[in-house]
Amino acid sequence: DAGITQSPRYKITETGRQVTLMCHQTWSHSYMFWYRQDLGHGLRLIYYSAAADITDKGEVPDGYVVSRSKTENFPLTLESATRSQTSVYFCASRAGGDSPDTQYFGPGTRLTVL
Amino acid sequence: AQSVAQPEDQVNVAEGNPLTVKCTYSVSGNPYLFWYVQYPNRGLQFLLKYITGDNLVKGSYGFEAEFNKSQTSFHLKKPSALVSDSALYFCAVRPYTDKLIFGTGTRLQVFP
Repeated sequence: DAGITQSPRYKITETGRQVTLMCHQTWSHSYMFWYRQDLGHGLRLIYYSAAADITDKGEVPDGYVVSRSKTENFPLTLESATRSQTSVYFCASRAGGDSPDTQYFGPGTRLTVL
Repeated sequence: AQSVAQPEDQVNVAEGNPLTVKCTYSVSGNPYLFWYVQYPNRGLQFLLKYITGDNLVKGSYGFEAEFNKSQTSFHLKKPSALVSDSALYFCAVRPYTDKLIFGTGTRLQVFP
């Protein structure tokens, strides 16, 4: 199916474990983004990517790692999960350039770190 | 610092009444402006955007938004609210850079 998908949708892990959240889009969009959503903070940008092999930090990158070897995939890894990383994570994508293309969001991954 | 403000955490309105969800921004230049809606346990869905031109933008589900450059505002409106409009609404701004700047969201509650 066309669109943007995230997996898993729900994840429970323990402090100190490594966790990878997957994001896949079928539009061949250049830009991809990872956000976290927490009560009282709205959406905060973790990392983004303008193209394959190009990534950059957002507002809250500490404790996270990203890679983008293929245009359609943008995994987010928590190297050593902490309780403060309990959140809902959203992936998004949009076409490239300075055009006002709409950014589209995946359904989210609810992560709980015990 | 560039920012987006949604001054109301929650807006309550009776079904059938008009609704307004407020958004103001502090961004240099001529940004693109967006509204998104989030239903429970769902991702954000695009509602509408302002790029240039007519200050009144029409979007999905009967929503519209009014851009006011002098007041740097982009308020979301609907002439007649539905109970099914109850959701979390986010205003977002994209300045010259690549990234959207989001407000903290406004919860709209429409009562029957």
